[in-house]
Amino acid sequence: DIVMTQTPLSLSVTPGQPASISCKSSLSLLHPNGNTFLYWYVQKSGQSPQLLIYEVSSRFSGVPDRFSGSGSGTDFTLKISRVEAEDVGVYYCMEGTYFPYTFGQGTKLEIK
Amino acid sequence: QVQLVESGGGVVQPGGSLRLSCAASGFNFDTWGMNWVRQAPGKGLEWVAFIRSNGTNERYADSVRGRLTISRDNSKDTLYLQMNNLRAEDTAVYYCTKEPHLDCWGQGTLVTVSS
Repeated sequence: DIVMTQTPLSLSVTPGQPASISCKSSLSLLHPNGNTFLYWYVQKSGQSPQLLIYEVSSRFSGVPDRFSGSGSGTDFTLKISRVEAEDVGVYYCMEGTYFPYTFGQGTKLEIK
Repeated sequence: QVQLVESGGGVVQPGGSLRLSCAASGFNFDTWGMNWVRQAPGKGLEWVAFIRSNGTNERYADSVRGRLTISRDNSKDTLYLQMNNLRAEDTAVYYCTKEPHLDCWGQGTLVTVSS
């Protein structure tokens, strides 16, 4: 099975400052069809997870453009250009290239 | 709008059974694959199972294979998870979520396995 490793596991950021979360997979996530099925989700307190980024770098409908995803192969990054109070939550990466799909451990983002 | 509503959770003894349902609306249910994902109390997300749009190609996490069965009824726009021989470690909130990209999630239903 693929192992997804997120760093850091927690992050405390001043509003208006940037934030970055790394996600590394144990195997390349490049699918034979040429797509890379790496996703980012956020789970806010008491809520279900919600999709932020799909296929490495595409923002889902309604996601603010301060969120961006990048990377390839085994190394991926989620960046928030200017953190806002509403961004508090736990961020998960997930690989969807291979079954079983695998999530990272989660990164808890807090506001200073 | 796209909506997924889970039901069927509850308290069950170890070794017992439960069937979860997920009612879908707001999209063409028979077009998309579906997944179950769970979250144990205070823990992260764990993918559980997938089923293709036409009800074939079921896939499972090793931790549940042989005990949990995913199925769907496209005539009723409903996804199911039959849970047999339940263990304490199956205690979690169970979410249904749709492809592509797991782009919509239900509110979850809590399953507690305890004597």
